[in-house]
Amino acid sequence: AQSVTQPDIHITVSEGASLELRCNYSYGATPYLFWYVQSPGQGLQLLLKYFSGDTLVQGIKGFEAEFKRSQSSFNLRKPSVHWSDAAEYFCAVGVNYGGSQGNLIFGKGTKLSVKP
Amino acid sequence: DGGITQSPKYLFRKEGQNVTLSCEQNLNHDAMYWYRQDPGQGLRLIYYSQIVNDFQKGDIAEGYSVSREKKESFPLTVTSAQKNPTAFYLCASSPDRTSGGTDTQYFGPGTRLTVL
Repeated sequence: AQSVTQPDIHITVSEGASLELRCNYSYGATPYLFWYVQSPGQGLQLLLKYFSGDTLVQGIKGFEAEFKRSQSSFNLRKPSVHWSDAAEYFCAVGVNYGGSQGNLIFGKGTKLSVKP
Repeated sequence: DGGITQSPKYLFRKEGQNVTLSCEQNLNHDAMYWYRQDPGQGLRLIYYSQIVNDFQKGDIAEGYSVSREKKESFPLTVTSAQKNPTAFYLCASSPDRTSGGTDTQYFGPGTRLTVL
């Protein structure tokens, strides 16, 4: 069955430190991969997406993610975290059920806290 | 300004009552979705619609109903049959109904429903 695993429920980093959020997926076909961010009480905002081509994807707010097919991973990175990056982050995979039917499968999220 | 609006932002319901959550989009997107979010559970799909007058059940449709009479509107009714309706509800839309689940989804700000 298709699934997305985000192994870290909660991560705390110091402001200015680097960040890596992990995401592993299970899907038999070519994956379409997404990272979204959610501030408390808000909707989700798309950070970046991978459909094909270059495996290193650049997104908004200085984030990037690398697709590694051999590891079934799509980890999110940022070189230097800002206090405003504190939020919850969701990884998702686009799953096709056949023809035009399909949907996004979301991980359970990783909550990021930033220490001053 | 194009986007997705959800109303109300907060909703309180007494046990045994049906309530309807509104979702409107002016992005001219074909597909619309409803998700339920509980702490630590990620997003779970309730219903989705790829075209007017047609919709499909998601993973947790029991106790919910929807309609899609207009392209821009996709209201969700939480019925008294839903045993644990207190949650954060998110509406989303995506441009292409033929994408087979691989299209980017854009989210509204959410409605927090509390059952008293």
